[in-house]
Amino acid sequence: GDSVTQMEGPVTLSEEAFLTINCTYTATGYPSLFWYVQYPGEGLQLLLKATKADDKGSNKGFEATYRKETTSFHLEKGSVQVSDSAVYFCALMDSSYKLIFGSGTRLLVRP
Amino acid sequence: EPEVTQTPSHQVTQMGQEVILRCVPISNHLYFYWYRQILGQKVEFLVSFYNNEISEKSEIFDDQFSVERPDGSNFTLKIRSTKLEDSAMYFCASSDPWGRTNEKLFFGSGTQLSVL
Repeated sequence: GDSVTQMEGPVTLSEEAFLTINCTYTATGYPSLFWYVQYPGEGLQLLLKATKADDKGSNKGFEATYRKETTSFHLEKGSVQVSDSAVYFCALMDSSYKLIFGSGTRLLVRP
Repeated sequence: EPEVTQTPSHQVTQMGQEVILRCVPISNHLYFYWYRQILGQKVEFLVSFYNNEISEKSEIFDDQFSVERPDGSNFTLKIRSTKLEDSAMYFCASSDPWGRTNEKLFFGSGTQLSVL
């Protein structure tokens, strides 16, 4: 079945550092891909999405590009802030309109 | 932005007791979901609901679980006889796959269920 694999966390960075969180997927066809973020004590919020190959999703300085050749959707940000500390989930939408999540990557940004 | 609301935010229950978790999805949405997240683990799909019936369910969603849309606005998850391993954060979500928000799932802030 469809699945999503994310890099293990936690990822600890200093403020203004460059962030990459790796995500790869296995799926039948070409699903839409998502990054969701979970801030401490809160629910899941959509951060960005991409619906087809070579699409780039972006929001709040975060970017991810849908790479069909490598079945990847890595999350990047050029300069992280303390307020970006959260758990980030990569996900795909399967053919029955449900999201399949990766295991999540905790990001801790230190001042 | 419209919101999915869940109540209660925390629920403590004794093993073997029944619990009902409540959700109010966004009003014009058509698909409803329950997910759960055991502490520190991934977010797992439990069930999806469309057109007043279960669309899909996972292996986790056994006979102890049921869902209902009793009145056209609420969407509930019932666990008939809770076990210790049911302790988790339960998220409700809704979506309108063919509408303006397309494939975006809107999640509630969750109900933390603790089974003692």
